[in-house]
Amino acid sequence: KQEVTQIPAALSVPEGENLVLNCSFTDSAIYNLQWFRQDPGKGLTSLLLIQSSQREQTSGRLNASLDKSSGRSTLYIAASQPGDSATYLCAVCGNTPLVFGKGTRLSVIA
Amino acid sequence: KAGVTQTPRYLIKTRGQQVTLSCSPISGHRSVSWYQQTPGQGLQFLFEYFSETQRNKGNFPGRFSGRQFSNSRSEMNVSTLELGDSALYLCASSSHYTDTQYFGPGTRLTVL
Repeated sequence: KQEVTQIPAALSVPEGENLVLNCSFTDSAIYNLQWFRQDPGKGLTSLLLIQSSQREQTSGRLNASLDKSSGRSTLYIAASQPGDSATYLCAVCGNTPLVFGKGTRLSVIA
Repeated sequence: KAGVTQTPRYLIKTRGQQVTLSCSPISGHRSVSWYQQTPGQGLQFLFEYFSETQRNKGNFPGRFSGRQFSNSRSEMNVSTLELGDSALYLCASSSHYTDTQYFGPGTRLTVL
């Protein structure tokens, strides 16, 4: 059974800092890994999708990497801003739709 | 393109009642997945429909059911509500479940 773990559970950083969020999964038989953002009380916004054959994907200040063999992914956020404050969730897609981690709650302090 | 819409946005029910939630996917998307989000368990997959057929099902009791119509709109039903069913119910649509999933704003269900 696929299990997804995100560390840390919460993170607080000053504005402008670069940061890394971590995600690990137990079963490497995946189609893709997706990173989402969730604002309080809202739905999920898709940030990046990395196919199992890819190593990384970039969108603006966000860069996600995938190491399928070790079961790990990282989300790198450059030059963080207060508007980046949210919960970040990673999810893996395998034989069934998405299995989610519990998320990392990020606070960027101005 | 219009995003995924869910109705109603908020619901309050009492134990033992039943509830039906609705999801309208992005135009052209044939896959609709449902998820339950609670503070303790996080996001958990309920089921996925593609072209009116349930293709995947999560580990939830039979009180949770769903269906998909020919226009890809989907409904989920929870019968005999329990206090533990209080949660944010999210639906997501995609061209296929292995593609990027686009989530709706969710329905907040409170069971008293």
